[in-house]
Amino acid sequence: ILNVEQSPQSLHVQEGDSTNFTCSFPSSNFYALHWYRWETAKSPEALFVMTLNGDEKKKGRISATLNTKEGYSYLYIKGSQPEDSATYLCAFYTDKLIFGTGTRLQVFP
Amino acid sequence: NAGVTQTPKFQVLKTGQSMTLQCAQDMNHEYMSWYRQDPGMGLRLIHYSVGAGITDQGEVPNGYNVSRSTTEDFPLRLLSAAPSQTSVYFCASSYSILPYNSPLHFGNGTRLTVT
Repeated sequence: ILNVEQSPQSLHVQEGDSTNFTCSFPSSNFYALHWYRWETAKSPEALFVMTLNGDEKKKGRISATLNTKEGYSYLYIKGSQPEDSATYLCAFYTDKLIFGTGTRLQVFP
Repeated sequence: NAGVTQTPKFQVLKTGQSMTLQCAQDMNHEYMSWYRQDPGMGLRLIHYSVGAGITDQGEVPNGYNVSRSTTEDFPLRLLSAAPSQTSVYFCASSYSILPYNSPLHFGNGTRLTVT
């Protein structure tokens, strides 16, 4: 059974704070790592798909890095805003796409 | 484009009843999948399909059947509903045959309660 772990489980930050989360996955048989943003009462939406060791992706204030040799990815949010409040999911692809349980971020004004 | 459309949005079943959750996509995606979401468990893969006529099991396939007769449709059948199948179900599709380098597009979910 593949284990995709995300930490922390939840995070509360003030508006303007920068924050980061971790996704850990098996370092063998790596094909891709996905990040999704999931707002309450909506469906998950894709942020990044990362396939190469050392990949860095950026979308506005959100960025992600990937280390396939040690089996982790970081998601960074710079200057958090209340609209960034959501659950952030990572998913590891080997022969199936397996999701972690997510990091729930709440940004207070 | 409608994207990924799931019906119904809500459903209540009695134990032992059967039903089909519908999923359709209009993006000509080859890959389609079903996930269930339970508190503290994240999204767990039930079944997936890499094209018409091809399906395979995910992490939690027991109690569910799927078929893929067309590229557009991927229904999920509950054969004999059990309270343990109370969950929120998401259908998701991807442009690539395997979601290796293209992201999943999710439907809006179906909330199922089995009493």
